[in-house]
Amino acid sequence: DGGITQSPKYLFRKEGQNVTLSCEQNLNHDAMYWYRQDPGQGLRLIYYSQIVNDFQKGDIAEGYSVSREKKESFPLTVTSAQKNPTAFYLCASSRDSYEQYFGPGTRLTVT
Amino acid sequence: EDQVTQSPEALRLQEGESSSLNCSYTVSGLRGLFWYRQDPGKGPEFLFTLYSAGEEKEKERLKATLTKKESFLHITAPKPEDSATYLCAVQASGTASKLTFGTGTRLQVTL
Repeated sequence: DGGITQSPKYLFRKEGQNVTLSCEQNLNHDAMYWYRQDPGQGLRLIYYSQIVNDFQKGDIAEGYSVSREKKESFPLTVTSAQKNPTAFYLCASSRDSYEQYFGPGTRLTVT
Repeated sequence: EDQVTQSPEALRLQEGESSSLNCSYTVSGLRGLFWYRQDPGKGPEFLFTLYSAGEEKEKERLKATLTKKESFLHITAPKPEDSATYLCAVQASGTASKLTFGTGTRLQVTL
């Protein structure tokens, strides 16, 4: 059963701690993306990767980091430098940079 | 800068009461326009891609249309299970990976 998995579904952290969100896909897609969703705002692109070992900053990359060591995996680290980390984080992938397919999301709460 | 505006913000329909959702966009050369459905607490589910003005696509009770300035998502005889937030996104030519999202229309269909 092909798809995108994100774990965990809910994540709680104390301010000042780094946290890594997992994203795995078995769709054999080359491109992967991280978005952030906040109430009343559209999805905003954090980072994207079109090929293994390469990634680009999106619109709101400050305070985040990523890696793409395997085609199937694109983890996102939310660092302590991110000023407003509490949000719903969505991972997506696409085969040919057209339609993107999304995972179930991770809701991160930082207190 | 690419922009997407969706209206209305919220829409309440009775079962069987057809209506349309609007997505107005400005983009420097449209590569594709995408419609997604999002249920509360879940990732967006891909519905349609439209590439050029005049194009139409249908799926069950949903029909998406595209002009040079806007797209409509027509919902015919909706059922309660159609209740969700519908998101519109555009991809500009020359930006192979970047989607710009609207803030969505929250649809509620009641019995």
